[in-house]
This record gives sequence, structure tokens and C-alpha cells, in this order.
Amino acid sequence: QVQLVESGGGVVQPGGSLRLSCAASGFTFSSYGMHWVRQAPGKGLEWVAFVRHDGHNANYGDSVKGRFTISRDFSNNTLCLEMNNLRLDDTAVYFCAKSLAGGIPAANDYWGQGTLVTVSS
Amino acid sequence: AIRMTQSPSSLSASTGDRVTITCRASQDISSYLAWYQQKPGKAPRLLIFAASTLQSGVPSRFSGSGSGTDFTLTISCLQSEDFATYYCQQYYSYPQTFGQGTKVEIK
Repeated sequence: QVQLVESGGGVVQPGGSLRLSCAASGFTFSSYGMHWVRQAPGKGLEWVAFVRHDGHNANYGDSVKGRFTISRDFSNNTLCLEMNNLRLDDTAVYFCAKSLAGGIPAANDYWGQGTLVTVSS
Repeated sequence: AIRMTQSPSSLSASTGDRVTITCRASQDISSYLAWYQQKPGKAPRLLIFAASTLQSGVPSRFSGSGSGTDFTLTISCLQSEDFATYYCQQYYSYPQTFGQGTKVEIK
């Protein structure tokens, strides 16, 4: 069955960096687009980033553009999110999610359990 | 960015009730709309995609309709496990955007 397991969350100071990972299994990783979506404490869902099935053509939310980089490692079926220059309002649970499709726009059919990132001085 | 507006923000209902949640897009998104259910401390669960297609394994009491800018999620006969927060999401263009959520509570 499809499994997505995030890791890498933790506490970081403003201006710091963090790298999140999402280990994928149970499906052909190279065939599907992947997303990161976050949720601040007590708030709604915010889309963060997307990368196509082939690792090309990433897209980012306006609030993270230029600071976050999404990538995928096909050798060990892992999705990554490199987060730099972190701000207090980046504090959230970060979910990775599998798209229903490879490169065309589609909904997300599987989600990980999330990893908490706390930005605090 | 396309703005997604859900209404109501919350509602109280009883088991067995018919519940309707609406979602309005700030511009035409055709049928590029999904609905998710989220329970506290859990990841979202896909219910509906392409505005009206039921995701595999989702009970048939859930249905979606609409196209263009106006969409609806209907739960025909509310069950105890349906008390949760529901989000719409447009995937017509980037950045993808979610509605603010509708919390369905027990009356």
C-alpha cells in the first residue's frame, strides 16, 4: 500500500535552515507528481510546492518562493524540501502528498502524517 | 492567485442530516476542484476530485457538483464519523489554493 513518511522537522531559529524528507513506498515514485502542503497551528491548509514526476518544473507558493526548494531523489524514492531563511510564520505541520497524475494538474490522493517545523527564537 | 471561499465556516448538524458546503472560486477553474476531509491531528483525506468524481473507498453519501466558479459538497445522511473539517482546493493553476475550511460539528 502507498506510504508517505515525513521526517526532518524540529525547532529552528528565525533565519535558519531545515531540510524535510518524505520517504515514499507502495507506488511507482517516478510516475507521479509530489506536493508539500503545510498547516499552521489551528489554521487551514496552505499549498507550498509541487514537483513533476520527472523532477522538473517545480512550482512554489508566493510566501516561500526564493526560500524553499523542492526536489526528489529517485535512487531512494524520497521527496525533499530545503527550507532557508525561515521565518516565524513558517511554523506549521508540513505534509507531503502524492498527486493523482504525473505532470498535469490533479488532486492529491495520499498524504503523509506530517512533520512539525517550529521557528522560534 | 485564485481565491477560494467556503461557506459556511462552521455548521452544527445531527446524525442523519443532509449537509451542504459551498465553495466559490474567484475565477473560472472549470472542474479542477477537489474536496478533502480532515480530522484533528490527522492528514487530509481526498473525498472528491474533478468536482464530482468520488475517490475510491469514499462512501456514496458524499457527492460533489459544480463547475466554473461555484461548487458544492453534499453529505446526504451525516454519520458520526463525518464530523470533521472540510476543505475545497483548486488545482486549475499555480499556486494551488485551498478554501478556509468548514467545520462540521455535532448539534
